[in-house]
Amino acid sequence: SQTIHQWPATLVQPVGSPLSLECTVEGTSNPNLYWYRQAAGRGLQLLFYSVGIGQISSEVPQNLSASRPQDRQFILSSKKLLLSDSGFYLCALRGGQGYEKLFFGSGTQLSVL
Amino acid sequence: QQPVQSPQAVILREGEDAVINCSSSKALYSVHWYRQKHGEAPVFLMILLKGGEQKGHEKISASFNEKKQQSSLYLTASQLSYSGTYFCGTERDAGGTSYGKLTFGQGTILTVHP
Repeated sequence: SQTIHQWPATLVQPVGSPLSLECTVEGTSNPNLYWYRQAAGRGLQLLFYSVGIGQISSEVPQNLSASRPQDRQFILSSKKLLLSDSGFYLCALRGGQGYEKLFFGSGTQLSVL
Repeated sequence: QQPVQSPQAVILREGEDAVINCSSSKALYSVHWYRQKHGEAPVFLMILLKGGEQKGHEKISASFNEKKQQSSLYLTASQLSYSGTYFCGTERDAGGTSYGKLTFGQGTILTVHP
């Protein structure tokens, strides 16, 4: 079965510091991978998606970047965090078939102070 | 473009029913429904594909009206465990170029009281 490992669960970072969130998946190969962000009390906003190694598409202009160095690894980064980067970050995967569900990792609650 | 969910919030007593609606201005390939508890990741409930499907899962079912690009989630005989925020996620019918991306509504907060 599919598993997503996402860490840490909680992170507090000062403004201007760098960020690296890692997501690794198991039980699947060549999945589509996604990074979503959820601001407090809000909906889920798609930040990046990847359909393969080295292939990254950005959905919204922002202070963040993403990379996929391996098939089952998806990384979210920032060189300098802003207060507005605070939120709940969720890595998700989906298989290639249209009937497949989007499966979420457990998420990282990021607070930028 | 973000789908629109209604209502924004629902308060129920155990055993009561509720309907949550999701509407899109774009042609859709699929609609997904998720429930999220506070501080946790969303949990998949069901997926409906274009073609006007209606699916069921225990006392929770959903329909998808392709002509109107609308989906509804039906919760019957609600239980305390149904409390949470419900999101619909929509995938555009883009001829295979949507890359499985889901756009989520703003959520409907459901509270079930004893």
